[in-house]
Amino acid sequence: DGGITQSPKYLFRKEGQNVTLSCEQNLNHDAMYWYRQDPGQGLRLIYYSQIVNDFQKGDIAEGYSVSREKKESFPLTVTSAQKNPTAFYLCASTRTGVNSPLHFGNGTRLTVT
Amino acid sequence: AQRVTQPEKLLSVFKGAPVELKCNYSYSGSPELFWYVQYSRQRLQLLLRHISRESIKGFTADLNKGETSFHLKKPFAQEEDSAMYYCALREGAGKSTFGDGTTLTVKP
Repeated sequence: DGGITQSPKYLFRKEGQNVTLSCEQNLNHDAMYWYRQDPGQGLRLIYYSQIVNDFQKGDIAEGYSVSREKKESFPLTVTSAQKNPTAFYLCASTRTGVNSPLHFGNGTRLTVT
Repeated sequence: AQRVTQPEKLLSVFKGAPVELKCNYSYSGSPELFWYVQYSRQRLQLLLRHISRESIKGFTADLNKGETSFHLKKPFAQEEDSAMYYCALREGAGKSTFGDGTTLTVKP
C-alpha cells in the first residue's frame, strides 16, 4: 500500500514534551499538508508546503512547527506550546495542478497526558 | 476567507431511499470543489470532484455557483454508503478548506 505513510499510528507523550510525527510520500507530489481532525470540527489546516524548503502556516499553526528538507518528507513537531495537543493528525499530499485531489495518510493519534 | 459549510452532522436514511448531503461554500474566486469519504477503519479518500462531472459509486454532485452549493446526491442509498463525508474547497494556492463533515448511516 504505497502512497503516504504516517508513523506511528498511536503516540503517547507527557505534557511539556515536544513530539514529532512522521509523514513520508512516494507519489512524487510537490505539495504536502498537515491537518488536525477533532470530533465535530472537521479537518483544520496546520501547515502546508508546496515546495521543498518552503512552507506556510495554516489556520491553526500556533504550537506546531514543520520542516520540508526533502520532497518526500514533511514531519510535524507538536511543541509544548500547543495548548490542546491531544488529537488525530492527518498528513496529505497532492500535485500542484488544477483540481488535483488530496491523498491522505492513515493518521497518527496523539495523546498527551 | 473561504468557508465550507455542511449543515448536517448526522444523516440517517433507509436502504433504497434517496440521499442528499448538503454543502455550501463561500469563496471569491473560481472554486475547485471535492467530496471526500472516510469509511470505517479506512483512510480519507477522494469520492468525486466537480470538474469531472462524474458519477462514482452512484453519487453525483453538481456545482451551483448561483446558490454556492455542491450537494452530494445518490438516488438509492446502500448500506455500504455508511461513512463520514467531507466537502472541501481548494483555492488556487493549493490550500484546501474542509467542512465539518456529515456522518451518513444507511439502515437496512
